[in-house]
Amino acid sequence: DAGVTQSPTHLIKTRGQQVTLRCSPISGHKSVSWYQQVLGQGPQFIFQYYEKEERGRGNFPDRFSARQFPNYSSELNVNALLLGDSALYLCASSLRTGGYYGYTFGSGTRLTVV
Amino acid sequence: DQQVKQNSPSLSVQEGRISILNCDYTNSMFDYFLWYKKYPAEGPTFLISISSIKDKNEDGRFTVFLNKSAKHLSLHIVPSQPGDSAVYFCAASVDSGANNLFFGTGTRLTVIP
Repeated sequence: DAGVTQSPTHLIKTRGQQVTLRCSPISGHKSVSWYQQVLGQGPQFIFQYYEKEERGRGNFPDRFSARQFPNYSSELNVNALLLGDSALYLCASSLRTGGYYGYTFGSGTRLTVV
Repeated sequence: DQQVKQNSPSLSVQEGRISILNCDYTNSMFDYFLWYKKYPAEGPTFLISISSIKDKNEDGRFTVFLNKSAKHLSLHIVPSQPGDSAVYFCAASVDSGANNLFFGTGTRLTVIP
């Protein structure tokens, strides 16, 4: 039974570049959320998608964008990378929206911006 | 603006004893709370949750207590086991249909054999 899978696991990018992170939810899960975890902090909400529609957006600049595909997988895009974007990016899936349903997180993508 | 706070960055407990992890929140609109456990190189794993209509929820060795008037919740682990050593995050949402969770900064629990 595959869990939430994220790719790549590690990534090094240069300031100003663009990056795309990918996430495949648990089979049957229609909601995908993205979180950013900076070292020493808790995860911070970026986006949630449910049934291919954006259902929530956190306090992140427009350089961050995402989308969900018909198979419920998702991509997170970050443009014009800054050093401060270095973080662990976590994808979480759930059956539906809402914290009640409890997210299942992937292992994350570690992004380093140099 | 940290709405969920875990003021103890670390905690060490002897195996077999009780571990108590604490969490405070500032947003009175929060009405659903969750605890997640995170091992290195893994994503957070859901542990236990509690709705604001309850003051206690128990699942095996894990019990979460909620004190709404104090805006405080705690996670009790009894008895603590070495495998419990991990970072524990407290999280909160505005309601069960909310899109996002607000996480605390985490507490690293070390259970000493």
